[in-house]
Amino acid sequence: DIQMTQSPSTLSASVGDRVTITCRAAQSLSTLLAWYQQKPGKAPSLLIYEASSLQSGVPSRFSGSGSGTEFTLTISGLQPDDFASYYCQQYHSYPLTFGQGTRLEIK
Amino acid sequence: QVQLVESGGGVVQPGKSLRLSCTASGFSFNTYGIHWARQAPGRGLEWLTIVSYDGRIKYDADSVTGRLTVSRDNSKNTLHLQINSLAPEDTAVYYCARGGQHSLPHFIDSWGQGTLVTVSS
Repeated sequence: DIQMTQSPSTLSASVGDRVTITCRAAQSLSTLLAWYQQKPGKAPSLLIYEASSLQSGVPSRFSGSGSGTEFTLTISGLQPDDFASYYCQQYHSYPLTFGQGTRLEIK
Repeated sequence: QVQLVESGGGVVQPGKSLRLSCTASGFSFNTYGIHWARQAPGRGLEWLTIVSYDGRIKYDADSVTGRLTVSRDNSKNTLHLQINSLAPEDTAVYYCARGGQHSLPHFIDSWGQGTLVTVSS
């Protein structure tokens, strides 16, 4: 199984800030990595796939980068609606695996 | 629009089995792989299993290997997940979700709203 490690576990920020979440894989994924957002009590929703491709309908303040074993999710200009949990997931091989999540909270 | 609706959750005793269902609409169900994932209370997401568009290819997470039975009925746009030998640590919200149009690993682009399974005596 490919272990995914996200950091930080919790991130405190203010509206308007630029934040970055990191995801590291135990082995190379090429660019086969996705990012999801999850709000309390709701299902996750896809933000980014193939490391840097923005899912249709997702605001352009979200961006992804990276390849191999290190990836980042950046949110530029935080909006109140962005305070949620974020998960990376590798789909390089089965079993698919998620990072442990990052909770983005209001400072 | 793409819609996935889970059903069948509830309270079940340890050691018993439970069958969850996922009903899809808004897309060609018989051309997509379908995943199941779960989330224990206050915890992160855990991927469980994938069944290919035709039901012939399946992969499971190590944590549930041997305890899952997945079947799909493409004529009814429905997929079933049976979980056997339930334990309290299986308590979670269970999600079905849409994968790719082939058998290779693929990201999830749509999720159901989830169904809660509570394992308790």
